[in-house]
Amino acid sequence: GQNIDQPTEMTATEGAIVQINCTYQTSGFNGLFWYQQHAGEAPTFLSYNVLDGLEEKGRFSSFLSRSKGYSYLLLKELQMKDSASYLCAVRDRAGGGNKLTFGTGTQLKVEL
Amino acid sequence: DAMVIQNPRYQVTQFGKPVTLSCSQTLNHNVMYWYQQKSSQAPKLLFHYYDKDFNNEADTPDNFQSRRPNTSFCFLDIRSPGLGDAAMYLCATSRGGNSNQPQHFGDGTRLSIL
Repeated sequence: GQNIDQPTEMTATEGAIVQINCTYQTSGFNGLFWYQQHAGEAPTFLSYNVLDGLEEKGRFSSFLSRSKGYSYLLLKELQMKDSASYLCAVRDRAGGGNKLTFGTGTQLKVEL
Repeated sequence: DAMVIQNPRYQVTQFGKPVTLSCSQTLNHNVMYWYQQKSSQAPKLLFHYYDKDFNNEADTPDNFQSRRPNTSFCFLDIRSPGLGDAAMYLCATSRGGNSNQPQHFGDGTRLSIL
């Protein structure tokens, strides 16, 4: 099975930088995804990592260390609209490599 | 421009009365998924189709069934909904294989049980 851990809640200030961590345990790691989910809406894709290192996409960056089972999502220049839940999801080779296991999400609150 | 479309957005049914949720996609993706998400919890995979091959999760209750009549459509049937089945149901699609392409989600159907 898989075990994914993320902090439950975080609070940050508009314009600041925030880092959301995710640790995971899986036997057949095959990629890690970050999704953003606003309340009552569907998750939307933010980033993907399968090799170690940093992937940057505008204000959002994601980092992966496979040896440590660790990833983080970095959000820069925070805006009020960034208040949402951020879900870490791990793909495993089992079952044809098509399935994702999601963490419970980190609820980010951006304040003035 | 919606690529994964779920109908209806909100569904109310009575305890024990069968209900069907629908999902369609314009992406021509091989794989379609159904997730259940309860408040403040992670989306939980119920099952998925890879083309016509059905893959059930071991802990998905028998009360939940699915049909995929063609590439574009997938249905979630709940045969006898209980109060514990009230949740958001999310449909997602993806390309098959070990791809870096993400799963694309529909807007979800929020199911209430009276």
